Amino acid sequence: DGGITQSPKYLFRKEGQNVTLSCEQNLNHDAMYWYRQDPGQGLRLIYYSQIVNDFQKGDIAEGYSVSREKKDSFPLTVTSAQKNPTAFYLCASTPRGLAGEGVQFFGPGTRLTVL
Amino acid sequence: GENVEQHPSTLSVQEGDSAVIKCTYSDSASNYFPWYKQELGKRPQLIIDIRSNVGEKKDQRIAVTLNKTAKHFSLHITETQPEDSAVYFCAATFTNAGKSTFGDGTTLTVKP
Repeated sequence: DGGITQSPKYLFRKEGQNVTLSCEQNLNHDAMYWYRQDPGQGLRLIYYSQIVNDFQKGDIAEGYSVSREKKDSFPLTVTSAQKNPTAFYLCASTPRGLAGEGVQFFGPGTRLTVL
Repeated sequence: GENVEQHPSTLSVQEGDSAVIKCTYSDSASNYFPWYKQELGKRPQLIIDIRSNVGEKKDQRIAVTLNKTAKHFSLHITETQPEDSAVYFCAATFTNAGKSTFGDGTTLTVKP
């Protein structure tokens, strides 16, 4: 299970605050992803990045921002513009152009609660 | 964009029975179809996958079948055990785009 880490495991935020979730990987994967998971629901894509200094919006990008300044790091900021941020956030990475292309390796997740 | 539908949303079986979960996808360009298992509070983990040039793949008690013409793929678990209880997600991926679309998940309960 090692190779991709997320911190913190639990995060509490007051309304109106921005918070940043950390995601780092040592798998030398080119592509990284952020998903949101709500109780009893599937994984919805927030942002993804296939290469350093480039990223694309997913299906639910509003109220979130990301950066990809290094290959091994893809932090997610949940801004005050996100109206319902309480959820489980999963980061993932995948190799590109290799035999394992497409296989997503997930981090352990961060559970964000807005008080 | 891609749309993935997964059925059923919940499935309850007796230990030793088989379980089948089905997914349909919309984009014929999708070429990679993984299945993930997620236990409560844990991260999803890959259990089996299939690429578009293959019709069936088996790994011990787990198998996946793919029908590209009909755009559907299925997960088959035989001789189910209580530890198979979890949420299972399918996904459809177009690897050139680097993006996967997930189904909504199936909660499998295996009763002893």
